[in-house]
Parts: sequence; C-alpha cells; structure tokens
Amino acid sequence: EVQLLESGGGLVQPGGSLRLSCTASGFTFSTYAMSWVRQAPGKGLEWVSAISDSGGGTYYADSVKGRFTFSRDNSKNTLYLQMNSLRAEDTAIYYCAKRLDAAATLGGFDYWGQGTLVTVSS
Amino acid sequence: SYELTQPPSVSVSPGQTARITCSGDTLPKQYTYWYQQKPGQVPVLVIYKDTERPSGIPERFSGSSSGTTVTLTISGVQAEDEADYYCQSADSSGTSVFGGGTKLTVL
Repeated sequence: EVQLLESGGGLVQPGGSLRLSCTASGFTFSTYAMSWVRQAPGKGLEWVSAISDSGGGTYYADSVKGRFTFSRDNSKNTLYLQMNSLRAEDTAIYYCAKRLDAAATLGGFDYWGQGTLVTVSS
Repeated sequence: SYELTQPPSVSVSPGQTARITCSGDTLPKQYTYWYQQKPGQVPVLVIYKDTERPSGIPERFSGSSSGTTVTLTISGVQAEDEADYYCQSADSSGTSVFGGGTKLTVL
C-alpha cells in the first residue's frame, strides 16, 4: 500500500524558514518523480514544485522560485522542501504527491499524503 | 506561466449529467488530469490522460477533450459526487498547473 507521510509544518514568523519532509513507502520510490502541492485555507490547489526521480531536476512555481528548495534522499525514501523567506501568502496545507507514471517528470498524481499545515504569521 | 480556467460552480439534480469544463492554451499538447476533493479530504484522481479512469472510480465519471477545452462528465450524478473538482495539466518546461476548481452542488 502506497503511503506518503508529511511532517515539519507549524507556525513560523514572516521571513522565517521551515523544512518539510515527506516519507514514502509501498512503491519503488527512486523511480518516481514527486511533487509538492499546497492549498491555502478555503482556496484551491496550487502546484508548488516537482523533482525528478533521481533528484537531478527540480521545477518551481513562480510564486516560490528562489525561496523554496526541493530535494530528495532516495536511500531514505524521503523528500524535503526547504522553505525560506516565508510570507503570509505561503500559509497552506502542503501535500506531497506521487506521479502517476514512473520516471515521468510531467503528468498527474495518483497518491497524496494527508498534508502538513504551515502557518506564517507574527 | 499559464492558466487553466474552470467555472466556479455547477449545479445538477440527482440522476442528471454534470459537465465541468477546463480551458487552456496548452491542453491540446499536454494531458489533463481531474481530481475530486471532498471537504476535509485529500484530492482523489478520477480521470487521467484526458479520458482514462483509474481503478475504483465509478464508470459514471468520464473525460473528453476537444481543442483547448477538456470536459469531466459525471453521468447519473449521485449525492456523494458533491465535491470540488480540479483539472491539472503541465507544460513542456516541467511545471504543472491546476485550474481554479469547480464546486459541484447536487440539488
């Protein structure tokens, strides 16, 4: 059974930093690209970032480019999202999501974690 | 960046057919995916690659594509289908985008 478990969310002041983690199980982690998707309270889904299966390629939404860094450790089946210079508008539930197709950088998401809430407020 | 446009809301009576559209310039070149999200729950993939249905998704869910518009059709809508629906696609640069979401209300 595929499982994705996010952690690391919490309350942080504007301008602060936070690192999210997502631990995966139930599939061959190193063969799938992965993504982070966020959802602000009462709002729609927003794609944040993607990483290739090897970790050699990363992609970011314009809204987070230069502030967020997506990485992975395939030996630990874990993703990391380093978030710096946080703003109030970054407040959201952050989901990690698994690509539908192995090795595909583009495409849809067939499994989602339960999400971790990030609140940016003073 | 590019955008996908969905109607904010669609309302249908039980047993009727609901159609939710998603428009975007890149849709003729990239596959579209549809997700259902009920309040307090995680999104669920209901259609992938424009027209394919994942295992476990009822047959009343279907997808179609024509030019720059893709459509999610729910035939014989049931009360349990009331949810937010999002389309999602990508561009060749590796970025993805979601539509703004459509709230389906079953009257």
